Amino acid sequence: TQLLEQSPQFLSIQEGENLTVYCNSSSVFSSLQWYRQEPGEGPVLLVTVVTGGEVKKLKRLTFQFGDARKDSSLHITAAQPGDTGLYLCAGPNRDDKIIFGKGTRLHILP
Amino acid sequence: DTGVSQNPRHKITKRGQNVTFRCDPISEHNRLYWYRQTLGQGPEFLTYFQNEAQLEKSRLLSDRFSAERPKGSFSTLEIQRTEQGDSAMYLCASSRRFAEQYFGPGTRLTVT
Repeated sequence: TQLLEQSPQFLSIQEGENLTVYCNSSSVFSSLQWYRQEPGEGPVLLVTVVTGGEVKKLKRLTFQFGDARKDSSLHITAAQPGDTGLYLCAGPNRDDKIIFGKGTRLHILP
Repeated sequence: DTGVSQNPRHKITKRGQNVTFRCDPISEHNRLYWYRQTLGQGPEFLTYFQNEAQLEKSRLLSDRFSAERPKGSFSTLEIQRTEQGDSAMYLCASSRRFAEQYFGPGTRLTVT
């Protein structure tokens, strides 16, 4: 069974600090997506990474796909309270179903 | 492009009652997905449509669950004889490109 494991589960840091969260699997994925979800709302797509080693930037967020396409990371520079939310990684499994990790719940303290 | 909409946003029902949720996808998206999400978990796949055809159905979807997408536009998810374990957020997503999904705000179901 292909699984996506996200770490840490919870992260609480001060505004202005940097942080990195991880999405790992023992399986190769053709692509990985990152979403942010706020309480009571649906996930919002942030980025898709497709090529091994790919780096994509979205303002203060930097996403990287591992060379072997088994893992991905999200780095946030100078975190702000608006970054608070549940960060989910997802990808298509061998049966072409999209599977999600359990997410990293991020809380930025003002 | 008005985004994916879901109705109702919240539903409280008594155990044993039937409930139906509606999802209106982004108009040019031919793929539509239903997920269930419980507290502390990521979304779990329930079923998937390409146009009006239901192509995939998870083992999570018991016989009490049924989904339709008539004419390949909006979709409905019905749960018959609800149980307390059905309490969850039900999410709908649509996509044009495989794997890049756009989610609605969800319907939160509480079964009492």
